[in-house]
Amino acid sequence: ETGVTQSPTHLIKTRGQQVTLRCSSQSGHNTVSWYQQALGQGPQFIFQYYREEENGRGNFPPRFSGLQFPNYSSELNVNALELDDSALYLCASTRDGVSYEQYFGPGTRLTVT
Amino acid sequence: AQSVTQLDSQVPVFEEAPVELRCNYSSSVSVYLFWYVQYPNQGLQLLLKYLSGSTLVESINGFEAEFNKSQTSFHLRKPSVHISDTAEYFCAVSEVSGNTGKLIFGQGTTLQVKP
Repeated sequence: ETGVTQSPTHLIKTRGQQVTLRCSSQSGHNTVSWYQQALGQGPQFIFQYYREEENGRGNFPPRFSGLQFPNYSSELNVNALELDDSALYLCASTRDGVSYEQYFGPGTRLTVT
Repeated sequence: AQSVTQLDSQVPVFEEAPVELRCNYSSSVSVYLFWYVQYPNQGLQLLLKYLSGSTLVESINGFEAEFNKSQTSFHLRKPSVHISDTAEYFCAVSEVSGNTGKLIFGQGTTLQVKP
């Protein structure tokens, strides 16, 4: 059984650019959630995808968008990057949207300069 | 809406001493409760969870947490810490009846175990 994987590990972008982060869910999981963890803070829920549809969204602007593919892998896209978007982005997978069996990936560290 | 407050941002403790990391939550609906651990430059690992039943839950590495509904708390304890327990610890909640699996996290507590 493979765990949750994320790519890339680290990324440096310039303000105003666009970025795509990727997540492969754990085998058998059909739900992926994305979280933003700013330095020294707890993770904040961005959104969740269940069976390729957005299934809940946190307090993030529309320039944060996502996709889930038929194999249940997922992408997080952020347009018009701002300095405050610098953070660790975590994805978590589970079955059928349940909260109590979520497994997190190692994260992608995004730095916006 | 739910919120989670971790009352200590940093907890320094000597090796083999007991430790308690405090967590209080606020919610108008029933919630599940979790503790996650994050080692440096890594993602989150689930340490333990309370779903229902016995209010005392234990992890395989000696941590335990007790759900106290009247005080809306879910404090994490370990009777004797090791150097390897040095990490960031996050308390989190999610709605029992919610369908998004959304986790609400506290700000985190840094546990620093000194030799």
